Amino acid sequence: DTAVSQTPKYLVTQMGNDKSIKCEQNLGHDTMYWYKQDSKKFLKIMFSYNNKELIINETVPNRFSPKSPDKAHLNLHINSLELGDSAVYFCATSSPSGSNYGYTFGSGTRLTVV
Amino acid sequence: QKEVEQDPGPLSVPEGAIVSLNCTYSNSAFQYFMWYRQYSRKGPELLMYTYSSGNKEDGRFTAQVDKSSKYISLFIRDSQPSDSATYLCAMSEMDSSYKLIFGSGTRLLVRP
Repeated sequence: DTAVSQTPKYLVTQMGNDKSIKCEQNLGHDTMYWYKQDSKKFLKIMFSYNNKELIINETVPNRFSPKSPDKAHLNLHINSLELGDSAVYFCATSSPSGSNYGYTFGSGTRLTVV
Repeated sequence: QKEVEQDPGPLSVPEGAIVSLNCTYSNSAFQYFMWYRQYSRKGPELLMYTYSSGNKEDGRFTAQVDKSSKYISLFIRDSQPSDSATYLCAMSEMDSSYKLIFGSGTRLLVRP
């Protein structure tokens, strides 16, 4: 039973399309994140939700819109996909006490825009 | 200049060697320091966590933090081929955002 699961694992799509990535966690963690990892392995935070409330919104194009329907789910919708959006997107969660060491990552969604 | 700098490698060592991985940072407000290991096509997994300065040991792994120099290290003793992966350092301020700032990762290859 995977702690943090992302779907789909792979996504190949054409420029201009709209796509969504879903994340679900069964750890009971309060905080969920979206990170983007580029081809050089650099992980950069995009968004963070705590108890369904948006608490971090980094400098990300507004084509990216996160949604948290409940504490266990965090989705990422991307409009008008561009070539530069190609990357691996990771969902992560942190522990209920809010301690900073408690990040658990999903296995990632590899997005390729052609 | 990035907040966290890490040599991308690759670092190639023979099995059994002691490996030293390092990161430097510029933000003196960082209080939490972590090392993550990432295998190819997998998510990062937490290896070590240290709060503030000092050393922490866990089996073959030792994490060191020197806040005065803004420098952190991860040592791997008796390295194994299964240690071959990308190692990412990560840091966080002691605030409510729980935001982790990552280094770009060092790729390690342990040769049998």
